[in-house]
Amino acid sequence: GAGVSQSPSNKVTEKGKDVELRCDPISGHTALYWYRQSLGQGLEFLIYFQGNSAPDKSGLPSDRFSAERTGGSVSTLTIQRTQQEDSAVYLCASSRTGGSTGELFFGEGSRLTVL
Amino acid sequence: KQEVTQIPAALSVPEGENLVLNCSFTDSAIYNLQWFRQDPGKGLTSLLLIQSSQREQTSGRLNASLDKSSGRSTLYIAASQPGDSATYLCAVTPGAQKLVFGQGTRLTINP
Repeated sequence: GAGVSQSPSNKVTEKGKDVELRCDPISGHTALYWYRQSLGQGLEFLIYFQGNSAPDKSGLPSDRFSAERTGGSVSTLTIQRTQQEDSAVYLCASSRTGGSTGELFFGEGSRLTVL
Repeated sequence: KQEVTQIPAALSVPEGENLVLNCSFTDSAIYNLQWFRQDPGKGLTSLLLIQSSQREQTSGRLNASLDKSSGRSTLYIAASQPGDSATYLCAVTPGAQKLVFGQGTRLTINP
């Protein structure tokens, strides 16, 4: 596609429910990142996928968070048993080359509100 | 641990002025530095990417410089316009390959 596409754009859920957020990166981009932006906070790294390599999950805040990337393209971020502190904008980015030289292109984000 | 700081946190200037946004980072061992723009409720738009071997990059009215040895980057905006109002974020790529972001500077250009 022309840009990074994320869905849903907005999600309101009740505490304890599971949610799935989807990211469709730019076609041909091998690297995919998930970041979280909480109100008034900076961007917090969550997870990084590069090609067929094992993902860098070092930023996932708890075992309630998981992500997968199928076929090297679409990625899904899953949050189980959501908590109010999970409320944030979840941003996905992709890069053509990844690693140290790649310019990142971001989607519009998925705004998650946990009641 | 790499830390990125942006000063000021907010800036308000009249239309037409030239302005400079500052970004500093604690570890000079970076591969590149990227400046982004974020409009309210939107994602990030890449403005400029400076590789570690470069000193500056220019795009239209924007010029970004990089001084790795001092851990600093500046984003210069010439002849500012109300449409430039947004939050500007800088981010560095250390060896771990994932960008480390600053908190951003919220810029308001007054007509």
